[in-house]
Formats: sequence, C-alpha cells, structure tokens
Amino acid sequence: DAGVIQSPRHEVTEMGQEVTLRCKPISGHNSLFWYRQTMMRGLELLIYFNNNVPIDDSGMPEDRFSAKMPNASFSTLKIQPSEPRDSAVYFCASSLPQGRDSYEQYFGPGTRLTVT
Amino acid sequence: AQRVTQPEKLLSVFKGAPVELKCNYSYSGSPELFWYVQYSRQRLQLLLRHISRESIKGFTADLNKGETSFHLKKPFAQEEDSAMYYCALSGYNTDKLIFGTGTRLQVFP
Repeated sequence: DAGVIQSPRHEVTEMGQEVTLRCKPISGHNSLFWYRQTMMRGLELLIYFNNNVPIDDSGMPEDRFSAKMPNASFSTLKIQPSEPRDSAVYFCASSLPQGRDSYEQYFGPGTRLTVT
Repeated sequence: AQRVTQPEKLLSVFKGAPVELKCNYSYSGSPELFWYVQYSRQRLQLLLRHISRESIKGFTADLNKGETSFHLKKPFAQEEDSAMYYCALSGYNTDKLIFGTGTRLQVFP
C-alpha cells in the first residue's frame, strides 16, 4: 500500500485563484482528516469525515474553504478565493474504524501551498 | 475546552544528554494521549500512545493525570532523534485528535 496519497505536492498560485487539494486515503480506512500546518499555529484540524460524512468542520477558517468526500477513496479541499495567509502545508490523514486501538492516524506527505 | 500545550518550540541538546519534551493537556474526561513525530522529509507518524505503555526508540511517556501532563523522555539522545514532535489528545468516542503546536528537537553531535 502506498499509504495516503496527496496531490499536488507543491502548489504556487496567485491571490484570488481557486486551489484544489486532493487526497486518497488508505483502502479500508473510514475516517479522513484535513490538517493545516504553519510555524505559528502548528498542526490544526480543519475538518474530518467518517464514512464520507463531514463530522466536524469547526476548524475550517472561513467560507472560502470547503471540503468534500464523494466516495470512500477520494476527498478534496478547496480554497476559493485563495489569499497569501493561506500559505501552509496541508496534510490529509486517514484512520481505521473507531475502536480502542484505532486512534492511529496515517498521514500523507502533504501539499505545500504558496499563495503570492 | 480541549487543549494541548507544548511550551517549547525548540529544544537543543548534545548527543548522549537526557531529553524531556513537555506536554500538558486540558480535557474534562479521560483522554487518550499520543506522541507523533515528523523526521526530515518523512511523513508525520505515530511514535507512541499512553495506553500501550511501551518504549519506542528509547522514548517513554507517562500520563500524569494529577499534573495533566504527558512528557516524552529519553535518557540518552541520539542524532537521529532530531525531528519535530507533536503531542496529541483524543477523547472518548471520537476520532478527532487535538495536536499541540509541536517541539523541534535538535540533537548535536
């Protein structure tokens, strides 16, 4: 298994443009998480899905951010319009169905987003 | 409110010195605590969890409910321990992890 797959790995865009980040979780994992990592705030949970349903989106910064999970093997995080303060590394992670031993999250390599 | 605090952004030690990365948490129930590590050019990965009570790569962490702490310790640091370390918390009946802001550990030769 290649693990969690994210694309693109790097994205440079101009302010005001739409950005779409993609994630393929590990097969069989039913929870998917989107995080943002910055020097100042560390790793912040943006949103997570369970069985393709958004469970907690309280970390989504504002209406410019949206996330979807149309099926068990694919999710997108969209920023429209993008702003320079959105520059960060965005991680996707997935985990097995909930249980006492299921809290391990498997992270993708991240997408480094730069908005100029 | 659920919160994880890692007071040190950077911790620098020499090889062979003891290491303690601090983590304090705020949670109203009985949390699950974890340490995740991100080595240079590698993915963030689980290092250890308090429920397992195990030592991984020489690291241990004890959950102290009285002090609401989960400090990560290693008696003799190695250069390959240099990485970013995140403490994380999860509550009962949720998949959600709350991460601290991370501590970068630098081990000098």
